[in-house]
Amino acid sequence: GAGVSQSPSNKVTEKGKDVELRCDPISGHTALYWYRQSLGQGLEFLIYFQGNSAPDKSGLPSDRFSAERTGGSVSTLTIQRTQQEDSAVYLCASSPQTDSFGSPLHFGNGTRLTVT
Amino acid sequence: AQSVTQPDIHITVSEGASLELRCNYSYGATPYLFWYVQSPGQGLQLLLKYFSGDTLVQGIKGFEAKFKRSQSSFNLRKPSVHWSDAAEYFCAVGGATNKLIFGTGTLLAVQP
Repeated sequence: GAGVSQSPSNKVTEKGKDVELRCDPISGHTALYWYRQSLGQGLEFLIYFQGNSAPDKSGLPSDRFSAERTGGSVSTLTIQRTQQEDSAVYLCASSPQTDSFGSPLHFGNGTRLTVT
Repeated sequence: AQSVTQPDIHITVSEGASLELRCNYSYGATPYLFWYVQSPGQGLQLLLKYFSGDTLVQGIKGFEAKFKRSQSSFNLRKPSVHWSDAAEYFCAVGGATNKLIFGTGTLLAVQP
C-alpha cells in the first residue's frame, strides 16, 4: 500500500518567506509526528499528533513554527519568516498507535528545505 | 525529560567484523527502546524494539540489541557486518506518552 507521502520533496526559499510542508500519512494511522534532521543534529522532535488529543508541541523551536492536522489525516507544517538555520530535512512519520504502544513509525522521504 | 545519547558519531569496521553501536538513554519510567536505520537515499526503517521481557532482542538483517537497565544502555550488535550495512543508525526512546525521542545517530562505514 501507499506509504507516508511528503511534498514538496525539495523547497528553496528566500529568508523571510513563509513555507508550508505537507504530509499525507498512511490511511488509518492515528499518530503523526514531525521531525527535523540537520547535519550532526540527528532527528529533532518537533510535534506529535495522536487522534483527537491536543498535540504535543514541546519540540517546536520557536513561535515561527506551527502545525495542524485536518480531519485526523493530512498535516501541514508551517514555518513563518524563514531563517537560514531552518534549512534541514523535515521528516513526517505516522503510526497506527493502537492500545499497545510500540507500533513502528513509518517515515516519509522528507522535504529538504533550503533557505537562502 | 527523555533523552538519548549516541556517543559515536562515526564508526568504520571491516566487512565480516563484529559491530557494536552504543546507545544510552534517560527516561523516568519504563522505557520503550528502538533502533532505526537510514540507508543512503532511503527512509528510516525499524530494525528492532524492546518493551519488556527478554533483554536481548532480535531484529531484522541479523541485528540484535541488549537492554541493560543498570547502565541505561541499549547497544546494537551484529556478529558479522556486510557492506550493505553501511548506513546511519538511530537509537530512540519512548514511553507511555508515545513521544519518541531520537539520538544524533551513528554513521557506519564498512571497509572491504
